[in-house]
Amino acid sequence: DSGVTQTPKHLITATGQRVTLRCSPRSGDLSVYWYQQSLDQGLQFLIQYYNGEERAKGNILERFSAQQFPDLHSELNLSSLELGDSALYFCASSEDRGPAYNEQFFGPGTRLTVL
Amino acid sequence: DAKTTQPPSMDCAEGRAANLPCNHSTISGNEYVYWYRQIHSQGPQYIIHGLKNNETNEMASLIITEDRKSSTLILPHATLRDTAVYYCIVRGRGGADGLTFGKGTHLIIQP
Repeated sequence: DSGVTQTPKHLITATGQRVTLRCSPRSGDLSVYWYQQSLDQGLQFLIQYYNGEERAKGNILERFSAQQFPDLHSELNLSSLELGDSALYFCASSEDRGPAYNEQFFGPGTRLTVL
Repeated sequence: DAKTTQPPSMDCAEGRAANLPCNHSTISGNEYVYWYRQIHSQGPQYIIHGLKNNETNEMASLIITEDRKSSTLILPHATLRDTAVYYCIVRGRGGADGLTFGKGTHLIIQP
């Protein structure tokens, strides 16, 4: 158990809809990362938040957005969903105390199916 | 971040040491080598990381060559539960950004 929790575990929705995925980081971790894993693209970094502020962006689509709240939990919002958005979405957290202490701890993921 | 090269798959007998190689010939002086693994659709799991010295923890050992152009992850006594995809990742910029996962090595532990 990494200490990172994600809800829901599974989500089934239709094209065009909007969903919100939730992540609670490990206690004390200030950084939260979101990743997408699909069969054809592998594991891809989407976006990082540090203590409420966006820090780094990866291959995140404009239809997707995220935020980190004062209690450090984070939400990933996916809108105008397409079939190709079906994937596993992972959240990770880290202490981010410096380059030697940046190991990331991953949650169990949310499996999104778009029909 | 420097690019890494790993064999796509490897087999190892249960109880033996599993040695997973990684090439990172373009690594720069301030970049760390990190290893993660993913067991069938579970969240990736951090294993170990290092800069230039060999490192050991309760899960594995990391051997980095003197020129830092390659490294080896060693699982000393592999079990069936070690069957997973292992990712070698080189991180720069202080390591404060997202991880870039390649295709990794699919390690299969044979009974």
